[in-house]
Formats: sequence, C-alpha cells, structure tokens
Amino acid sequence: SQQGEEDPQALSIQEGENATMNCSYKTSINNLQWYRQNSGRGLVHLILIRSNEREKHSGRLRVTLDTSKKSSSLLITASRAADTASYFCAPGGGYQKVTFGTGTKLQVIP
Amino acid sequence: GAVVSQHPSWVICKSGTSVKIECRSLDFQATTMFWYRQFPKQSLMLMATSNEGSKATYEQGVEKDKFLINHASLTLSTLTVTSAHPEDSSFYICSARLDNEQFFGPGTRLTVL
Repeated sequence: SQQGEEDPQALSIQEGENATMNCSYKTSINNLQWYRQNSGRGLVHLILIRSNEREKHSGRLRVTLDTSKKSSSLLITASRAADTASYFCAPGGGYQKVTFGTGTKLQVIP
Repeated sequence: GAVVSQHPSWVICKSGTSVKIECRSLDFQATTMFWYRQFPKQSLMLMATSNEGSKATYEQGVEKDKFLINHASLTLSTLTVTSAHPEDSSFYICSARLDNEQFFGPGTRLTVL
C-alpha cells in the first residue's frame, strides 16, 4: 500500500500569510493527490499531480512533486480563515491501495 | 466527472441493530472500491478493499463478520455494520478507483446509541 506522511502535524498562521505543508512517501507512484477535510466533514479533493509533473497550480494552491526525494509540498497562498482544516496527501496510482497519514492540521487566525 | 456518492450522509441507530451504507460511483464504473473509517481527531484508516464480483479483502484487525461488504455491481458497494455498538460510531468514507486515481465519497457519520 501507499502511505503519505504529512509534516508538520499542526500549523498556525495569520490570515494573509502563506501556508506550506509537506508530504513524504516510500514507494514509486503514478500520481499524488491532496485533500482537505474540514472538521467532521468528508474529504474534498484539492489537486492531483502526476509523476511526470513537477509543479501544478490551482487558484491559491501550488503543489510540487519531487519523485527523486519521494516528497510533495502544498502551498496555500494568501490564506483565509476558511482554509482552516486538516490536509492529507494520498500518494498512489496503479493498483496500490492508499492509506493516509495523520495529516497537517492548519489553523488560520483571522 | 468521477463523482462518488454515499448514502446516507448520517445515521443514528440503536445498539444491536445493523446499518447499511452505500457507496456509488455516479459517472464511471469501478471494479475496486475502498472503505475507510475515521474516529474523531484521528486519520482515516483503511478497513477493506471491495472488489466487484468477489470477496472483499480486509485489513488486519477488521472483523469481516461485523463489517459486511458487498460489491454487487460496477457502480455500487455497500458496507453493513452488523450488530452495531457505540464503539462503532465513526465516520465512514468510501472511495472508488478509476484507472490510476482514487475518488472519495463525502462520508457517512454513524452514531450508535
């Protein structure tokens, strides 16, 4: 199975600042997805980056992927209070099942 | 495209009863679906892999007789929590695989009184 481990476990920033969180994994992947989960809610898909891509943007989100280091980062620019949530990475692809790490709990202070 | 739905979104039941949760891939066919469970303030834990037309594969420590999984069609997998107890109260999330990607449902919150 594939498992992502997010870092840091918790992050607290002021509104307007940028938030960066990282994901590491252990085996080869075809793609990596980032998800957001608001407290008590389901997973919201944020962005998917394929193994042949190095960087991808979606609105205020920027994701990088370094397959040589088996790591990815998620940058949220100009953070808002509504970005407060837990963020999970899901390295995967192929026919391997995906398991989740503990996530990064982001708190954006208004 | 690639939308996964779950029904119900939340359910409250009495201890000892059974609860069925449905996971549907709305616009694609999925031979493989996955069921996860999430306790409060914890991460999602993979419970089992559901394969269309065959038996589910359960993760270590998950009781197959308690969590019955049926994947009878390419768009529907069901998880039945049998003889539910308060400790089964949790958030259950399914996902469906399409090609090399996994798409998640919105989750079902189960509360057992």
